[in-house]
Amino acid sequence: ETGVTQSPTHLIKTRGQQVTLRCSSQSGHNTVSWYQQALGQGPQFIFQYYREEENGRGNFPPRFSGLQFPNYSSELNVNALELDDSALYLCASSLASGMGNEQFFGPGTRLTVL
Amino acid sequence: RKEVEQDPGPFNVPEGATVAFNCTYSNSASQSFFWYRQDCRKEPKLLMSVYSSGNEDGRFTAQLNRASQYISLLIRDSKLSDSATYLCVVDSYSSASKIIFGSGTRLSIRP
Repeated sequence: ETGVTQSPTHLIKTRGQQVTLRCSSQSGHNTVSWYQQALGQGPQFIFQYYREEENGRGNFPPRFSGLQFPNYSSELNVNALELDDSALYLCASSLASGMGNEQFFGPGTRLTVL
Repeated sequence: RKEVEQDPGPFNVPEGATVAFNCTYSNSASQSFFWYRQDCRKEPKLLMSVYSSGNEDGRFTAQLNRASQYISLLIRDSKLSDSATYLCVVDSYSSASKIIFGSGTRLSIRP
């Protein structure tokens, strides 16, 4: 177990709705990254938060947004859900932002959009 | 062209065999490289970091070739428990992180 937790584990939404996913980082880690993993694909980097600030973003539209709280836990918000948003959403925490830091993944939230 | 490319496999090899995977990356400014392992319906876990000088951890050896922009993973004396998807990861960190995963290479070890 990595100590990274995510909630909920599964979620079903309909197109156009909004969703909030949550992640608690491993103790002592101040950096959280979020990923989207479609079936049969590798995780796609959404964004990273370091000390409550966004610190890097992948090729995702603005309807994907996030927050990091003072305790370094994090939320991923997705507005106006589309069918293609159905995927496993992974968060990973690391000791610090920057090069060479191992990322510890949570078990993921499986989102289904109908 | 994808930023990080891997042969999706599957590689199906007998127990005890040696198997090697390559991963190519397109951004020459990439600075950190990793191999992660992902078991079916589980989260990825770090297998090893890849250093410029190459590194070895037991049966696993990772190499980086900056000139040709690829990294490799060699598994010797493969075990049934090595069956998994192996993900190549490139971090192009400069002022901000941009962490790119490959699509993964599926490995199946048969008895």
